[in-house]
Amino acid sequence: EPEVTQTPSHQVTQMGQEVILRCVPISNHLYFYWYRQILGQKVEFLVSFYNNEISEKSEIFDDQFSVERPDGSNFTLKIRSTKLEDSAMYFCASSESQDPGYNEQFFGPGTRLTVL
Amino acid sequence: KQEVTQIPAALSVPEGENLVLNCSFTDSAIYNLQWFRQDPGKGLTSLLLIQSSQREQTSGRLNASLDKSSGRSTLYIAASQPGDSATYLCAVKVLTGGGNKLTFGTGTQLKVEL
Repeated sequence: EPEVTQTPSHQVTQMGQEVILRCVPISNHLYFYWYRQILGQKVEFLVSFYNNEISEKSEIFDDQFSVERPDGSNFTLKIRSTKLEDSAMYFCASSESQDPGYNEQFFGPGTRLTVL
Repeated sequence: KQEVTQIPAALSVPEGENLVLNCSFTDSAIYNLQWFRQDPGKGLTSLLLIQSSQREQTSGRLNASLDKSSGRSTLYIAASQPGDSATYLCAVKVLTGGGNKLTFGTGTQLKVEL
């Protein structure tokens, strides 16, 4: 069964460093998303991406964050200058349908980002 | 702003019991509601999606209902098994925004004991 994959599974970085989290969405999907979950807290929406542009972003997704689909298969999240509070599990998701009523999102296993 | 709440926060039941998990949301203007399962340290597995025009969806031992006007959904698990132990999350997609954003609940941590 097709699935969303993410690399790396765990990333440790120093505060102020740039990180790139990578995702390979399900191949025929059109919509791509990033969410994050700080330990013990709710899963929070960061950004959605469709047709090579951001379709929606949250207040968390400030200028430090960017997303890119550099080729036909990868979808990346870049954090330019990491802060301690960026430590979280980052989930990539994708969905197929253009019908807003039926747009089941499928999630990857996550990348645990630890900022020291 | 959409707020999603799940009750109870944690639940422990003996194997074989039927159980109900609750999800409530403040804004009834939703496109759909999705139930997920999350195992410790792992990703989210989609269990069921209910469109706003539907009242329920079934998958195996799982049945999810939706009452949009009252802002409630329930996930019914029949004949629970130890393998059902996980955190169950509900998430709603609102009509505004245009980006298919999901707003998640707080989760119910389920433990099914032998």
